[in-house]
Amino acid sequence: AQSVAQPEDQVNVAEGNPLTVKCTYSVSGNPYLFWYVQYPNRGLQFLLKYITGDNLVKGSYGFEAEFNKSQTSFHLKKPSALVSDSALYFCAVRDRAGRRALTFGSGTRLQVQP
Amino acid sequence: DTEVTQTPKHLVMGMTNKKSLKCEQHMGHRAMYWYKQKAKKPPELMFVYSYEKLSINESVPSRFSPECPNSSLLNLHLHALQPEDSALYLCASSQETGGLYNEQFFGPGTRLTVL
Repeated sequence: AQSVAQPEDQVNVAEGNPLTVKCTYSVSGNPYLFWYVQYPNRGLQFLLKYITGDNLVKGSYGFEAEFNKSQTSFHLKKPSALVSDSALYFCAVRDRAGRRALTFGSGTRLQVQP
Repeated sequence: DTEVTQTPKHLVMGMTNKKSLKCEQHMGHRAMYWYKQKAKKPPELMFVYSYEKLSINESVPSRFSPECPNSSLLNLHLHALQPEDSALYLCASSQETGGLYNEQFFGPGTRLTVL
């Protein structure tokens, strides 16, 4: 079975400060990992993914994530937060040997204050 | 075209009504998905179609009936729903080839309210 944990329901950060949204995962083998963002009353928007290779993955809108196999983590980061980054963020995992279905974390609401 | 479209945006229906949700993509994706999302919760997978064939049904009640008429279209037929079925219904698509690392592209969703 595969699972994802996002330990923080909400993260608050001031505009211009760095942000981190945490994600840890559990799979039986090597994972494929994804981050999605959801704005109010909208569908999910793909940000970035880890497949293999470089542990630091760069994605859309200045976001990046670091894959850490020993800590089974895939934290989302951005050096300088914008008010427009305020949204709901979902981490998701898929076992390479598993089904097509993604397993999503519970979501973290990011609030960036001006 | 990297867009998944869904119609209608909003739907209000009674428990005895029959309605359908529609989803369309023109990215050549051969995997299409239906998800249900409750407020402040992650999406829950309902169905997966692969090459127009149903490949995953997550034990969804029969009052939800999916249909994939062709590689670009995905429907979700609704009948005799319950108020607890009120939610945002999301459609997504992804490339089928190349393995399981292909990201899914989501539509904006249909906000369903069952009275």
